[in-house]
Amino acid sequence: NAGVTQTPKFQVLKTGQSMTLQCAQDMNHNSMYWYRQDPGMGLRLIYYSASEGTTDKGEVPNGYNVSRLNKREFSLRLESAAPSQTSVYFCASSVRGGRIRETQYFGPGTRLLVL
Amino acid sequence: AQSVTQPDIHITVSEGASLELRCNYSYGATPYLFWYVQSPGQGLQLLLKYFSGDTLVQGIKGFEAEFKRSQSSFNLRKPSVHWSDAAEYFCAVVSMEYGNKLVFGAGTILRVKS
Repeated sequence: NAGVTQTPKFQVLKTGQSMTLQCAQDMNHNSMYWYRQDPGMGLRLIYYSASEGTTDKGEVPNGYNVSRLNKREFSLRLESAAPSQTSVYFCASSVRGGRIRETQYFGPGTRLLVL
Repeated sequence: AQSVTQPDIHITVSEGASLELRCNYSYGATPYLFWYVQSPGQGLQLLLKYFSGDTLVQGIKGFEAEFKRSQSSFNLRKPSVHWSDAAEYFCAVVSMEYGNKLVFGAGTILRVKS
């Protein structure tokens, strides 16, 4: 039982390049989330998927797109990377979003540097 | 909107000393609160959570936290710190926005002196 896994661990991009961050969970969770972590700001929600087949914007969605490929996988795409997207990206999952008494479980993170 | 404040950006304690990390939240209704720990280069690990009931919550690794509604606080404590506790600690509250997202504080970096 690996929990939440993320690939890659590190990535360096040039401005304007695109890439996809991958996330998978093996806990049979329905809900999945993408956060970004910036120094002094904690984590902020980019997108979430309450269940398979649905995705919704979080508080900082600009410049990103997501795909809920199946119940296990939730990918985050940067179509044209900008230096402001340099950050650490965390994927999380929970049993079923919409229930307030619920714990989110986090992956190890992807460190992205955009030059 | 809900918010979480962790007043201390850095804290340094000696190994074996007690620890208290502060967390204040802004939330109108009953808050659901979490403490997560992030070791260098690692993801976030759940230490403990408060949903209801006993206001003193026990977590993993010998940590505990006390919910005080009158002070809007959820401070994390440990009676005797170990060098392996050096990490960054995040307090978070559930927000009813965005599918019950977590609202995080900015984090407190704990350094342990030997």
